[in-house]
Amino acid sequence: DAGITQSPRHKVTETGTPVTLRCHQTENHRYMYWYRQDPGHGLRLIHYSYGVKDTDKGEVSDGYSVSRSKTEDFLLTLESATSSQTSVYFCAISIGHGETEAFFGQGTRLTVV
Amino acid sequence: GIQVEQSPPDLILQEGANSTLRCNFSDSVNNLQWFHQNPWGQLINLFYIPSGTKQNGRLSATTVATERYSLLYISSSQTTDSGVYFCAVTSGSARQLTFGSGTQLTVLP
Repeated sequence: DAGITQSPRHKVTETGTPVTLRCHQTENHRYMYWYRQDPGHGLRLIHYSYGVKDTDKGEVSDGYSVSRSKTEDFLLTLESATSSQTSVYFCAISIGHGETEAFFGQGTRLTVV
Repeated sequence: GIQVEQSPPDLILQEGANSTLRCNFSDSVNNLQWFHQNPWGQLINLFYIPSGTKQNGRLSATTVATERYSLLYISSSQTTDSGVYFCAVTSGSARQLTFGSGTQLTVLP
């Protein structure tokens, strides 16, 4: 257990509504990540953060925004959810070994109806 | 960006059999990890192995960085080994992982 907590674990929301997913870590690791997992695609990076207020885009960032106002929390927001954003979302941190070894949270299953 | 290919995509074994999963990558890497995603969806770290060989119980892994591949060996497989095995790498100055598409392993009793 790398001390990563995702909330909520499951959510069903309607198309067009805003949704925020939270990732919380119990230690002060600098790097945090949001990935999504879809059948046939493995895990793909949405956004990542390398410090408070320092974030950057990943491979599939369209339709998502992130914020990191505290070291321990990394928020992922879907401004206006669409059905294509139905997915399982994983948060990760990287630690040790030059901050390159990743550990994942338990995931959030999001369904947009 | 770097490409990661895993093979085979699917593997079905009888309990007790051995297996080898392969991960090929298209560029030099500074990190390579193997994960097991169990049937409940949890991603479990198996190995951090940018080069060399490591063993953990019935599992072992070898990465030959100069030839751009890694192998995961599972010996005496058990039904609890079922799930998806992912290889993921970082390259250059990036710390974010690029994942392969995984190998779906089913171990039959």
